[in-house]
Amino acid sequence: GNSVTQMEGPVTLSEEAFLTINCTYTATGYPSLFWYVQYPGEGLQLLLKATKADDKGSNKGFEATYRKETTSFHLEKGSVQVSDSAVYFCALRDAGGYNKLIFGAGTRLAVHP
Amino acid sequence: DVKVTQSSRYLVKRTGEKVFLECVQDMDHENMFWYRQDPGLGLRLIYFSYDVKMKEKGDIPEGYSVSREKKERFSLILESASTNQTSMYLCASSSPGGGHGDTQYFGPGTRLTVL
Repeated sequence: GNSVTQMEGPVTLSEEAFLTINCTYTATGYPSLFWYVQYPGEGLQLLLKATKADDKGSNKGFEATYRKETTSFHLEKGSVQVSDSAVYFCALRDAGGYNKLIFGAGTRLAVHP
Repeated sequence: DVKVTQSSRYLVKRTGEKVFLECVQDMDHENMFWYRQDPGLGLRLIYFSYDVKMKEKGDIPEGYSVSREKKERFSLILESASTNQTSMYLCASSSPGGGHGDTQYFGPGTRLTVL
């Protein structure tokens, strides 16, 4: 079945460092891909998404490109801030309708001043 | 602003109790979802509903049931709570999703502890 694999955390960075969080997927066809973020004490919120191969999603300085050759959707940001500290989830839209999502395990990011 | 609310942020229950978790959305969404979130496991789908009175099992439905009597409200029921159901429970809603899928909107979560 479909699945999502994320790099294990926690990821600890200094402010203004470059961020990469790896995400790979296994799926039939070409599902839509998502990154969600969960700030401390809150639910998840959509960060960005891509709906077809070679699409680049971007938001708040974060970017991710849908790579069908490597079945990857890595999250990147050029210069992280303390306020980016959160848990990041990669997800894909499952086949079969109903807009179901399959999530990765999540990667905790801690950014220090 | 779109909003998904959950009845409690924190809940402590005893083993064997019947537990109700309520979720309400104000976006007139057809789809609603219940997940549990555990460290290292991400979010796992318990049940979802695509219309009033309609429900489908997710990946881990055992020990849970759901109810959707009104479009805006989706309830998760633990018939007889057990300690292994201690977890964070997240509710989400979305429109049906076209070919590319629509955003799921999440509530703030309920952290349930079963003693």
